[in-house]
Amino acid sequence: GAVVSQHPSWVICKSGTSVKIECRSLDFQATTMFWYRQFPKQSLMLMATSNEGSKATYEQGVEKDKFLINHASLTLSTLTVTSAHPEDSSFYICSARDHLGQQNEKLFFGSGTQLSVL
Amino acid sequence: GENVEQHPSTLSVQEGDSAVIKCTYSDSASNYFPWYKQELGKRPQLIIDIRSNVGEKKDQRIAVTLNKTAKHFSLHITETQPEDSAVYFCAASIGWGKLQFGAGTQVVVTP
Repeated sequence: GAVVSQHPSWVICKSGTSVKIECRSLDFQATTMFWYRQFPKQSLMLMATSNEGSKATYEQGVEKDKFLINHASLTLSTLTVTSAHPEDSSFYICSARDHLGQQNEKLFFGSGTQLSVL
Repeated sequence: GENVEQHPSTLSVQEGDSAVIKCTYSDSASNYFPWYKQELGKRPQLIIDIRSNVGEKKDQRIAVTLNKTAKHFSLHITETQPEDSAVYFCAASIGWGKLQFGAGTQVVVTP
């Protein structure tokens, strides 16, 4: 299957700093990527839909100025958590859809980023 | 929007027995229903999926059934093994890859 790479896999930062997470589709083009957040023992909650070359679409309750998304190419989307606070500590995971693939409804997930804000 | 409910939240089975997880969805426009297996700290792995024009799909020990009329779909795992222990998520999509996930089921297979 298609491969999605996500970095870093874990990050610890001080409160008030910003953290950037990268999501890359390695062997396919992804016009659309999705960012999810997962708290311990909970489900994946969609934060936003990242569209190549245009503004991201945020889900209700997600602050667009706090979670900056950039999708500048067909293989890279970034999520920047600005002015992070302890309540932002979570597992962030991206996913991508191979829009040219034969099974283009399938989502492929990155390996996730565990963010801990002190 | 779409709402997906998943039951049970935890499921303990003896090795060799079958496990069944059930999900319901609310949006009749949903047309794609994947199931993911997630081990602790790892990414979700797609284990099986079904489209709305199919009622049942099987892949070795795993099968999924879909009842469009009732808007529910189920995951069946037969001959369970300890390595099947994980959290399983159902999801529903109305297209373009946007998925709404269920709450998850912690499956524990005891030897």
